[in-house]
Amino acid sequence: DIQMTQSPSSLSASVGDRVTITCRASQDISNYLAWYQQKPGKAPKPLIYAASILQSGVPSRFSGSRSGTEFTLTITDLQPEDVASYYCQNYNSAPRTFGQGTKVEMK
Amino acid sequence: QVHLVESGGGVVQPGRSLRLSCVASGFTFNSYGMHWVRQAPGKGLEWVAVIRYDGSGEYYADSVKGRFTISRDNSKNTLYLHMNSLRADDTAVYYCARDLFPQVYTNQPSPVHYWGQGTLVTVSS
Repeated sequence: DIQMTQSPSSLSASVGDRVTITCRASQDISNYLAWYQQKPGKAPKPLIYAASILQSGVPSRFSGSRSGTEFTLTITDLQPEDVASYYCQNYNSAPRTFGQGTKVEMK
Repeated sequence: QVHLVESGGGVVQPGRSLRLSCVASGFTFNSYGMHWVRQAPGKGLEWVAVIRYDGSGEYYADSVKGRFTISRDNSKNTLYLHMNSLRADDTAVYYCARDLFPQVYTNQPSPVHYWGQGTLVTVSS
């Protein structure tokens, strides 16, 4: 099974900062990687799919990239409403494992 | 618009069974792969199972394989999760979710896109 290793588990940043979250797959998953944002008590919200394609309506300060089996979610110009947990997910094959999650907090 | 409404959660004793349902509306249900994803209290997301648009294939997380069964009734636009031999570590909010792309038209993998509001399952004596 493919393992997804996400880091860091949490981070604290200030408004306007650039934030980077990394997800590493244990084997090649091509571009089949999605990112989700989840706020407390809510269902996850899709942000990015195919490693770098922004879902409709997602602010352009969110971006995704891929280098081999390493995937990155970047938030430029962090906003208060970005406080949330973020998850990556492999959808190349079952089991469709999620990363462990990254909790983004505001300083 | 797409709506996914889960039901069937509640408190159940260890070793017992429970069936979750997810009623779908706002799209052609029999064209999309469907998933169950769960989240234990204070923990991260855990993918549970997926079923193909026509019910012809199912896949499971190792943690539930042999105990849980995903199924669908396309005539009723309803997705199910039959959970047997429940354990305390199955306690979680269970989400029903739909693929982004219609599987009926492509074999390309699709990300999960639409989510229900979730239903809480508590396994406790």
